[in-house]
Amino acid sequence: EDKVVQSPLSLVVHEGDTVTLNCSYEVTNFRSLLWYKQEKKAPTFLFMLTSSGIEKKSGRLSSILDKKELSSILNITATQTGDSAIYLCAQSYNTDKLIFGTGTRLQVFP
Amino acid sequence: EPEVTQTPSHQVTQMGQEVILRCVPISNHLYFYWYRQILGQKVEFLVSFYNNEISEKSEIFDDQFSVERPDGSNFTLKIRSTKLEDSAMYFCASSGPGHIYQETQYFGPGTRLLVL
Repeated sequence: EDKVVQSPLSLVVHEGDTVTLNCSYEVTNFRSLLWYKQEKKAPTFLFMLTSSGIEKKSGRLSSILDKKELSSILNITATQTGDSAIYLCAQSYNTDKLIFGTGTRLQVFP
Repeated sequence: EPEVTQTPSHQVTQMGQEVILRCVPISNHLYFYWYRQILGQKVEFLVSFYNNEISEKSEIFDDQFSVERPDGSNFTLKIRSTKLEDSAMYFCASSGPGHIYQETQYFGPGTRLLVL
């Protein structure tokens, strides 16, 4: 059974649209929830969330954690073609490893 | 901005051959990791390494795999006898002091391994 589940799997939008990506995780040994952006190769770090209800923001991207619902969302406002990528959610445990979801593929068209 | 680097970027090998994938983690990081991503699948944890020893490994990381930190800068993943199913992108990551989020893992660009 998948421990980190992302939805939707794929999203196609036009520039300027706002998108919301979802991630659900399991509670066992939860330490933090991370979001990464994967373009051609390496996942690049976006956010790390440990506390519920506190929004993290970076430019047009923001993310929030809901520990009651065991979920997180990543919002991107005023999307640009450069936002096209796979967005990965990962749960960090009380050990070292990250467990990744399958990712959401976002395509932004002009 | 410091980065994790990996070499080679691509490697093609014959089944049964040994390969060594190399990584230079961000300097002053203390925790090192290897992950792999088979084409079209999730990024999967392989192993973590701290204080010159493995701290955790996944079921994938069997006796064919080994890791080493041969000097103060490099971190290597060796696959002793490659199988077709080892074909994947292998990512190195590191974490440690020097960032706002000490626990955050920063990833290298990956080595694409193709086993024929």
